Amino acid sequence: QSVLTQPPSVSGAPGQTVTISCTGSDSNIGADFAVHWYQQLPGTAPTLLIFDDNNRPSGVPDRFSVSKSDTSASLAITGLQADDEADYYCQSYDSSLNAVIFGGGTKLTVL
Amino acid sequence: VLLQESGPGLVKPSETLSLICSVSGGSTTNYYWNWIRQSPGKGLEWIGFVFHTGSTNYNPSLKSRVSMSIDTPKNQLTLELRSVTAADTAVYYCARDSVVKTPLSGLDVWGRGTTVTVSS
Repeated sequence: QSVLTQPPSVSGAPGQTVTISCTGSDSNIGADFAVHWYQQLPGTAPTLLIFDDNNRPSGVPDRFSVSKSDTSASLAITGLQADDEADYYCQSYDSSLNAVIFGGGTKLTVL
Repeated sequence: VLLQESGPGLVKPSETLSLICSVSGGSTTNYYWNWIRQSPGKGLEWIGFVFHTGSTNYNPSLKSRVSMSIDTPKNQLTLELRSVTAADTAVYYCARDSVVKTPLSGLDVWGRGTTVTVSS
């Protein structure tokens, strides 16, 4: 069971907006440690999607954005496309565990 | 910058898993280098990181069995995991923290991963 909780799956039709939540606690997101997000396409390594809460590496479209509040963060994907179908992971740091932590991952299905 | 993990694909229970991550197209200097693993059909688990000075920080859940090192002239990282069991079967990735001299800054470069199976 992950310290950061994500829904196992979300789905949406092309063009729609989906959100993926990442719920933590006072010792990680709530302690203002940065949250990063990764996209993992089937059979490939993860790639950095969002860093430091809501910054996009070059090449990542602005369809991807993050909001953060208290002990949680949410990744929003607007204008859903077929090639957005992937697993998405949030990552932060936990001061109680003294460890980098990942969410359990969310599988996005584009209907 | 490209990362390439290498090592034996099969390790016997109770033995030591040893992996190398070769860094090309850039230097290991001034960056934090992480190892992450992913068990079959599961999520990501951080193993630890090493800085170019050799300083390390390990996941407490694995700390008693893990060693990481770095060879800056060779641009290589090494991971050792001792006393392995079937639960250590996973794809092992190396990855770089994105900001110079800054851990926990987001992992912007990943290797393709190497699959390690623990079985007799």
